[in-house]
Amino acid sequence: DVKVTQSSRYLVKRTGEKVFLECVQDMDHENMFWYRQDPGLGLRLIYFSYDVKMKEKGDIPEGYSVSREKKERFSLILESASTNQTSMYLCASSLGALRSAFFGQGTRLTVV
Amino acid sequence: QQQVKQSPQSLIVQKGGISIINCAYENTAFDYFPWYQQFPGKGPALLIAIRPDVSEKKEGRFTISFNKSAKQFSLHIMDSQPGDSATYFCAASIGGTYKYIFGTGTRLKVLA
Repeated sequence: DVKVTQSSRYLVKRTGEKVFLECVQDMDHENMFWYRQDPGLGLRLIYFSYDVKMKEKGDIPEGYSVSREKKERFSLILESASTNQTSMYLCASSLGALRSAFFGQGTRLTVV
Repeated sequence: QQQVKQSPQSLIVQKGGISIINCAYENTAFDYFPWYQQFPGKGPALLIAIRPDVSEKKEGRFTISFNKSAKQFSLHIMDSQPGDSATYFCAASIGGTYKYIFGTGTRLKVLA
């Protein structure tokens, strides 16, 4: 089974803090994604990566950056956390084009 | 053009009944349509997926119907069970871009 593991289930951070969300997949997938999930808005793509050190902006990249130094690891960085970034963050990976994405269990981030 | 419109937002069905969730899209370049199931506190999990060269795909009690001309697809859950109570997301992707566009989700409750 594909396993996508997010480092934290719950995080509470203060406004202005730099926040790192880590994600690791164990199936040698090429593509990795970070989504944000908010009630009534579904899943919105923040960033994705189709190879090591490669990244592309999704639909809502403002206030976020990403890092992919190794194939299995994809990090989401909130440079200066704000309250409107309080959300559920979901990491996913997929093998290639026309292949379904597999999701981690999510990180619920609260910024106070 | 990039949106996937999902309805209804919520659905209540009696045990043994049929649950139907609908999605519509505009972009004819979409070529892969997965459905995801998400239980509270968990990440979305792939349920079933279809490509536009087939009109229907069935896996157990779950069926996707696809109408290419109408640019619509739907999920049917036959003999719905309380254990099916979850949020369901449709999605669409364009193979060459690796990006998935998600609907806003349908919260299904199956009454015992």
